[in-house]
Amino acid sequence: SQQGEEDPQALSIQEGENATMNCSYKTSINNLQWYRQNSGRGLVHLILIRSNEREKHSGRLRVTLDTSKKSSSLLITASRAADTASYFCATGANPGGTSYGKLTFGQGTILTVHP
Amino acid sequence: KAGVTQTPRYLIKTRGQQVTLSCSPISGHRSVSWYQQTPGQGLQFLFEYFSETQRNKGNFPGRFSGRQFSNSRSEMNVSTLELGDSALYLCASSSPLSEQFFGPGTRLTVL
Repeated sequence: SQQGEEDPQALSIQEGENATMNCSYKTSINNLQWYRQNSGRGLVHLILIRSNEREKHSGRLRVTLDTSKKSSSLLITASRAADTASYFCATGANPGGTSYGKLTFGQGTILTVHP
Repeated sequence: KAGVTQTPRYLIKTRGQQVTLSCSPISGHRSVSWYQQTPGQGLQFLFEYFSETQRNKGNFPGRFSGRQFSNSRSEMNVSTLELGDSALYLCASSSPLSEQFFGPGTRLTVL
C-alpha cells in the first residue's frame, strides 16, 4: 500500500522556473527520501532528510519536512529540461518497528520541463 | 564505489515458468531490499534482507521469494509466473539508517 500522497500528480513548467512537489504521509517516520526516475529506469537518490531535521539543501534542491503535518516538499530551482522525470518521496520507518528496512513510496509527480 | 547492479536487465518469460533475478549491492552494504514497480500499483516493497536473514516482507504471495548470500548479494525468485507479474523489479542496498541506493532494475515481461 502507498503511504504517501504526492501533489501534484503532474507538473509542467518552462526552463528556468522553479518546481515544487509535495508529499504527505500517514505514520511516524525515521527519515524521508526523495528519488528521481527517468522513463522506467532505476531510481536515483536525491536527498534524505531525517525526522529531526526541518530543511536540507543539495545543489538546486531544497527539501523541507514538517513532522507535525506529516508532509514534505521538494523544490527544484532554476529547472532544466534534463530535470524532466518522475519524482517520488519515500518514507523509512523507525528502527525496531515492523516496517524497518522498508521504504514506502508515494505515487510520484511527473515533472515536464519545456526548453 | 560501484553502484548496485542487477542482472539480467530484461527478461521475457511465459506464464507458468519461474524466474530468478540477481542483485549485487554496493560494497559494504549489508541490507538489500526488493521492490516491484507497475503502472497500476506503483512501487511496492517485496522484502528486505540483512546479513542473510529476511527482516521484512511485503504483501506478496508465496510465489515471490528471495535469499541473500554471505557476500550480501541477493536473488529473488518468482515461481509459476502470471501475466500480472510483468513489472520492473528494483533492488536497493543500504547501510543502517541510511539512504537506499537503487540498481537499474530488471524489466520482466510475462507472455
